[in-house]
Amino acid sequence: ETGVTQTPRHLVMGMTNKKSLKCEQHLGHNAMYWYKQSAKKPLELMFVYSLEERVENNSVPSRFSPECPNSSHLFLHLHTLQPEDSALYLCASGRGGVGTDTQYFGPGTRLTVL
Amino acid sequence: DQQVKQNSPSLSVQEGRISILNCDYTNSMFDYFLWYKKYPAEGPTFLISISSIKDKNEDGRFTVFLNKSAKHLSLHIVPSQPGDSAVYFCAASAKGSSNTGKLIFGQGTTLQVKP
Repeated sequence: ETGVTQTPRHLVMGMTNKKSLKCEQHLGHNAMYWYKQSAKKPLELMFVYSLEERVENNSVPSRFSPECPNSSHLFLHLHTLQPEDSALYLCASGRGGVGTDTQYFGPGTRLTVL
Repeated sequence: DQQVKQNSPSLSVQEGRISILNCDYTNSMFDYFLWYKKYPAEGPTFLISISSIKDKNEDGRFTVFLNKSAKHLSLHIVPSQPGDSAVYFCAASAKGSSNTGKLIFGQGTTLQVKP
């Protein structure tokens, strides 16, 4: 399955580092999403981009900075993270819109903050 | 406040029998429901969905039932196979003006199918 790809698959970083997560979708979708999955918790929506415009920011701390240069690519820039930010970060894409949208997920980036 | 709840963290079933995974929701505005399957070290994979205008949708071994009055949906897998062992998430989206297709997920149920 190569519909939604994410790199890197694993990332270990210190609290003072700056890194970026990359997501690419090959499904011709208009909407892209970042989710966070922490242990024992449901997937939490972080950001939504529709037609390259950020349409939702779920009260995410400013140390997470998304970027969507075009409808196929989505980045999550990370800086001065905390150990509690360690989690699985998942990217998804969909057609967008209300109601009947199905989202397709990438494999995720497992992030560890030391 | 959790709008989508999967109250059973785990379920164990014998191969060949039926697996029934349950999900409850609180938001009456939800009009589209999905089930995803997730293996370790992979992203969730879409399984099956149902619109609120239906009460049943079937795809091969997978059937989703929706009871709107009870705000409850269930996923039936029959016959269950060892390869079905994974974490299953239900998700829902609501009508609204934001037009973002936002999904709300449950906590997941770990299904183990024993040979």
